[in-house]
Amino acid sequence: QVQLQESGPGLVKPSGTLSLTCAVSGGSISSSNWWSWVRQPPGKGLEWIGEIYHSGSTNYNPSLKSRVTISVDKSKNQFSLKLSSVTAADTAVYYCARTRADYVWGSYRPGAFDIWGQGTMVTVSS
Amino acid sequence: QSALTQPASVSGSPGQSITISCTGTSSDVGGYNYVSWYQQHPGKAPKLMIYDVSNRPSGVSNRFSGSKSGNTASLTISGLQAEDEADYYCSSYTSSSTFVVFGGGTKLTVL
Repeated sequence: QVQLQESGPGLVKPSGTLSLTCAVSGGSISSSNWWSWVRQPPGKGLEWIGEIYHSGSTNYNPSLKSRVTISVDKSKNQFSLKLSSVTAADTAVYYCARTRADYVWGSYRPGAFDIWGQGTMVTVSS
Repeated sequence: QSALTQPASVSGSPGQSITISCTGTSSDVGGYNYVSWYQQHPGKAPKLMIYDVSNRPSGVSNRFSGSKSGNTASLTISGLQAEDEADYYCSSYTSSSTFVVFGGGTKLTVL
């Protein structure tokens, strides 16, 4: 079965860049699914950051779009998140997740997040 | 402020049924059948419980069911058990630029 595992630094300095990787095992990142990043600040709810398809196509949350880059490395079966100019407000548990895909009249629509990584806590602090 | 509105908390006794609502707009919940529900225990990753409004993934108890009426989706848990105590989040595709929205979460307490 497909499993996801996040990795990356747990501490990032303010104004720096947060970088995380999600390794996909038990299946191919080149499947028909999209691959998402979701975050959760301490004690708060979930926020969708963005997603990527194995072709490199991306969709981002407009509130973060100017600072977010999601990329894919098919040779390593993994995808990555970069969030620039971070502040304390970016402190959160970051999850990677597989997104079910649906296509209506050729238009992509994201469905549920059916597989999640365990999450990794990232703290922004000097 | 979350795009989808959920009650902050609900509670019920073992064996009872509870329902958690998730209210959106015609641009998300009301306009499409992409509502999903997640269960999250403390310190754990969310787990998909319902997708596409009313479908259960393999392995999820049939005590969990989903429905939708207008702009409001609902998650019903019947035969409440102690292990159901957790936070629950709804999510939906939205035709707005946000693309994907979550509810603020509901804390379920089993009395």
